Amino acid sequence: SAVISQKPSRDICQRGTSLTIQCQVDSQVTMMFWYRQQPGQSLTLIATANQGSEATYESGFVIDKFPISRPNLTFSTLTVSNMSPEDSSIYLCSVASPEAFFGQGTRLTVV
Amino acid sequence: AQSVTQPDIHITVSEGASLELRCNYSYGATPYLFWYVQSPGQGLQLLLKYFSGDTLVQGIKGFEAEFKRSQSSFNLRKPSVHWSDAAEYFCAVGWEDSNYQLIWGAGTKLIIKP
Repeated sequence: SAVISQKPSRDICQRGTSLTIQCQVDSQVTMMFWYRQQPGQSLTLIATANQGSEATYESGFVIDKFPISRPNLTFSTLTVSNMSPEDSSIYLCSVASPEAFFGQGTRLTVV
Repeated sequence: AQSVTQPDIHITVSEGASLELRCNYSYGATPYLFWYVQSPGQGLQLLLKYFSGDTLVQGIKGFEAEFKRSQSSFNLRKPSVHWSDAAEYFCAVGWEDSNYQLIWGAGTKLIIKP
């Protein structure tokens, strides 16, 4: 199993600003996944982050809006850029081995 | 394309009654199968998983699931639900050739009647 620490746990942000979410894993992992979960919805994969290479984004998500860093095998960040109210959601980081383990999520509200 | 279907958006069950939540997947390769539970305002917790072997798997909180390859299904069951089981349940599927990327069902919201 893996223990994932994600922060912040929640934030309220002004539209047009950016928020960086941090994800720390207690063991080295090759791939980390970033998801978005809108209210009452399932998980939508934003991107897969491999250490040492650029993240792979899913359809509908672009690097300019959701830049990801993966500086080492235990850490990753997701930035939500130029936020609008439509970005209000829960953002989750995850590792898989193959079962997925999750951080507690970041509940983002954009006003 | 790979997909996971949970046909029931929500299910209402009386406390003490049995429960079955359905999950079907598409794609021919050998799947990894999971059920997760998410209580209101909480994170996602793994209930059980299937990789290989016995097709009936036991999980936490008294849940079990059965993999039926012929039906491409992995239904979740519990013989007697408790009020604390009220939550959202997600089925997720991965494949050996998918680099551990999971495909998620839309979720089933379980409502417990007293």
